[in-house]
Amino acid sequence: GQNIDQPTEMTATEGAIVQINCTYQTSGFNGLFWYQQHAGEAPTFLSYNVLDGLEEKGRFSSFLSRSKGYSYLLLKELQMKDSASYLCAVRVTGGGNKLTFGTGTQLKVEL
Amino acid sequence: DSGVTQTPKHLITATGQRVTLRCSPRSGDLSVYWYQQSLDQGLQFLIQYYNGEERAKGNILERFSAQQFPDLHSELNLSSLELGDSALYFCASSTGAGELFFGEGSRLTVL
Repeated sequence: GQNIDQPTEMTATEGAIVQINCTYQTSGFNGLFWYQQHAGEAPTFLSYNVLDGLEEKGRFSSFLSRSKGYSYLLLKELQMKDSASYLCAVRVTGGGNKLTFGTGTQLKVEL
Repeated sequence: DSGVTQTPKHLITATGQRVTLRCSPRSGDLSVYWYQQSLDQGLQFLIQYYNGEERAKGNILERFSAQQFPDLHSELNLSSLELGDSALYFCASSTGAGELFFGEGSRLTVL
């Protein structure tokens, strides 16, 4: 199976930068995904990494190190609407295309 | 709007009853996934179908079953309901190896 760890909660200030870490242990790694989920709503896709390095997408960037089983999501110029849960998920080969999710990091953005 | 449609949005029923949740995937997506999300656990993968065939199975209880129909919509049947089955049930779809697109979910309350 897969083991995915993320911090449970984080707090940051509006306008600042925050980094949400995710570590995973799995065999047959085939991609890491980040999703954003507001309370009671559907998860929405943010980013995808399958190779080592940084993927940038506007205010959001995601980094992957396969050798370390480590990823982070970087959020810049934080806005109040970024307050949400951020879910790290991995995909493995031979598992269909299903994603296994971590329990999520609840981010609170304060003034 | 992800393009994935789930009905009903809310459902309240009693222990021992049976319910059916319905999902219509995005146009062109052949894969459908079902996830359960309860307060104390993250998104738990239940089952995946691809073009009508079961592709992957997660921690789905024997009381639960699913199928995907020729028009690609899917149904998740939950029977002999227990209090602990109260949760948000999400359906997601994908074209293949890409990201999953989630519906708004069906909130099930078992009293």
